[in-house]
Amino acid sequence: KAGVTQTPRYLIKTRGQQVTLSCSPISGHRSVSWYQQTPGQGLQFLFEYFSETQRNKGNFPGRFSGRQFSNSRSEMNVSTLELGDSALYLCASSPAGARGYTFGSGTRLTVV
Amino acid sequence: GENVEQHPSTLSVQEGDSAVIKCTYSDSASNYFPWYKQELGKRPQLIIDIRSNVGEKKDQRIAVTLNKTAKHFSLHITETQPEDSAVYFCAAYQGGSEKLVFGKGTKLTVNP
Repeated sequence: KAGVTQTPRYLIKTRGQQVTLSCSPISGHRSVSWYQQTPGQGLQFLFEYFSETQRNKGNFPGRFSGRQFSNSRSEMNVSTLELGDSALYLCASSPAGARGYTFGSGTRLTVV
Repeated sequence: GENVEQHPSTLSVQEGDSAVIKCTYSDSASNYFPWYKQELGKRPQLIIDIRSNVGEKKDQRIAVTLNKTAKHFSLHITETQPEDSAVYFCAAYQGGSEKLVFGKGTKLTVNP
């Protein structure tokens, strides 16, 4: 059974650019959540999607957005990148909600 | 909203000793408390979880205890081994919000 797949694994972007990250959940999982991980701040919740609907959103600026497709794959987009957006972005999937998350390996974004 | 405090931030033990990591949460409506282990450069992995109707749960060398009245829960690792070295995160699930709120993590080092 394939795990949660995130692409790309690494990204280097310039300040002001935008970026799109992808997450393919475990087959059958309909809930996908995104987290930002930085040293000292732990895992900060970005948003959660279920059946193409955003059910919850964390305290991040509107530059951070996401969506989920009918096949449960999810993307998150960050526009007008800032240096402080450099982080590991993790997505997690589960059958129905926040219980029993399985995380992907993450996308490490570096903004220069 | 929910807030999770985790202590200590770093913990160093000798192989064979026990390790205890403590977390407190703020929202009495939280009802699910997972623990994740993240080895260097890898994704967080669920190691044990507990629901609010249970006071203690064990899985081999790992145990979690929950005190709902005091709103705190703890991870206990006995007979520690070098491969237990990792960052451990506690989390609390806010019922109905479909999000996990994580503590900032504890870096555990087990010295041979």
